[in-house]
Amino acid sequence: ETGVTQTPRHLVMGMTNKKSLKCEQHLGHNAMYWYKQSAKKPLELMFVYNFKEQTENNSVPSRFSPECPNSSHLFLHLHTLQPEDSALYLCASSQEASGSTRSYNEQFFGPGTRLTVL
Amino acid sequence: KNQVEQSPQSLIILEGKNCTLQCNYTVSPFSNLRWYKQDTGRGPVSLTIMTFSENTKSNGRYTATLDADTKQSSLHITASQLSDSASYICVVSAATYKYIFGTGTRLKVLA
Repeated sequence: ETGVTQTPRHLVMGMTNKKSLKCEQHLGHNAMYWYKQSAKKPLELMFVYNFKEQTENNSVPSRFSPECPNSSHLFLHLHTLQPEDSALYLCASSQEASGSTRSYNEQFFGPGTRLTVL
Repeated sequence: KNQVEQSPQSLIILEGKNCTLQCNYTVSPFSNLRWYKQDTGRGPVSLTIMTFSENTKSNGRYTATLDADTKQSSLHITASQLSDSASYICVVSAATYKYIFGTGTRLKVLA
């Protein structure tokens, strides 16, 4: 166990459904991330939150909506998804040094949510 | 363009044998390089992390090397075990929150 949990582990949804993915970290970290992992592609960073504030949004479609109510919890709200959104969605956390442009810290990943959009 | 390329894409070896995975990167500025192991259906787990000044780092049977001049890294696995079957991902950090991922090498260890 890495100290990062994700629920659900598997999700099948139709294109008109609304669902949410949940991530929780028990490591006391100050940064949390959502990644998308598609077959034969590198991990794609979707969102980064630091101290509950969004610091990165890599041009993700608006049908993905993140929420970070506190530094331990991260949600990804999904609505009107497309079949090409089917992928493994990974959450990660790290302890980033504030005010630093260099990161020597490690990301800890959750087990992921396998999402299938029909 | 920041990029991380890994080779080979896939590899099959017999149990007990050694193997070496390669990672070439064009990432600037460079902060650190990490190797992750990802079992099927699981999240990546960190094996090693190296900064600019480190040339080699070991974690049990895993040894990573870094040549910052040629922008190359390798991960050497000694005396492979069946449990080493996984994807190995090279990740280069350009700055805080900026992680560039390779596509990974899928390793299969056969009995």
